[in-house]
Formats: sequence, structure tokens, C-alpha cells
Amino acid sequence: EPEVTQTPSHQVTQMGQEVILRCVPISNHLYFYWYRQILGQKVEFLVSFYNNEISEKSEIFDDQFSVERPDGSNFTLKIRSTKLEDSAMYFCASHASTDTQYFGPGTRLTVL
Amino acid sequence: AQKVTQAQTEISVVEKEDVTLDCVYETRDTTYYLFWYKQPPSGELVFLIRRNSFDEQNEISGRYSWNFQKSTSSFNFTITASQVVDSAVYFCALRRGRDTDKLIFGTGTRLQVFP
Repeated sequence: EPEVTQTPSHQVTQMGQEVILRCVPISNHLYFYWYRQILGQKVEFLVSFYNNEISEKSEIFDDQFSVERPDGSNFTLKIRSTKLEDSAMYFCASHASTDTQYFGPGTRLTVL
Repeated sequence: AQKVTQAQTEISVVEKEDVTLDCVYETRDTTYYLFWYKQPPSGELVFLIRRNSFDEQNEISGRYSWNFQKSTSSFNFTITASQVVDSAVYFCALRRGRDTDKLIFGTGTRLQVFP
């Protein structure tokens, strides 16, 4: 069964460094999302992406964040200058024209 | 505004007990979708069920059942004869009818099933 994959599973970085989180959505899916979950809290929407552009972004998704679909298969989230409060689990999700979003296993980002 | 409330923060049961996880939602849309996801200790989010606003039929899948009631804006989830493997955090989520719409999650209910 096809699934969303994410790499790395765990990323440790120093405050102020740039990180890129990678996702490979399910191949026939057209809609892509990033969510984050601070430890012990609920899952929060960051950004949605369709037709090579951002559809919607949350207040969390400020100028430090960007997304890209560089090659038709990968979907990346870049944080330009990480802060301590960016430490969280980041989930990628995708769906086709049906409405169920399928999530990747997540990338745990730890900012020191 | 849209909102999902899961008032039960944590529930503990003994194996084989039945347990119901509550979910109350708020939306002004007439077309919307409701979801339940399971987050086991390993951390991934596992899709369990999707319901659209026009389909109030209850659903049963093995030991799992869902009760959708528009009159009370609730979408409750019952596990019958719980097992230790059911221990997880369960999230209820809501999204609007457009394809690009985000999921709005509740705060989750942590279920612990003891042997």
C-alpha cells in the first residue's frame, strides 16, 4: 500500500541554523500539507500546497518557513533560521481528489 | 470559526472494557468532513475514519464504532472490548468541504488500556 515517507526521522540542529525536512507524498496525490505537533500538544496546520503554490498558511508559517516541490516527487519544508520553539514533530500529509489526508511518520526536529 | 473539542484529556481502562471517546465540533459550514486519527506511542498518525456532513449513518469496523450526531455536533468513537494495543492518543479532526482545506484537530484523548 502506498504511503507518505519523510526524512530524516530525527533532526538535531543548533539555533539559527537552516533545516530542510523532506517528504515524498503518495504518487498520485495532488494536495500537500505540513503540520507540526509540539510535544504533548495537538497537531497544528502550517501550510497547504496545490498546483505548485501555497493554498493557505497559518500564522505559524512566517517568513522563516518556505515550502517547495522541486522535482515532482519531493515536497520540502525549509526553516531558514531555527528557534528553540521550532522543536516539534513535523508531519507531511497528502491526498488525491478524495478527502482523506494521509500522514507521513513525521520528522522530530530538536533545536538546541 | 471552526473548532474541535475533546474534553477527555486522558482515559484509563482495563482490558476488555468498552470505552467511548467524545468529540464535539463547531462549524458554520453545511459541507464538512470529520475524521478520527490514532497516534500510537511510536508517533505516527494513523487514519481511522472519515465522515461527511451528509452521512449520519453510524459505522462499525470490528471493535470500533462511530456515532455521528449533527443535532449535538458530536462524532464519538467507541472501542468495544479494549485491548492493550489500543493504547494511544486519539485525535478528532474537522475540515471544510474544499479540497485544499486543512484539518483542524482537537487536543486529543490519551487512552491507556491496562492488562
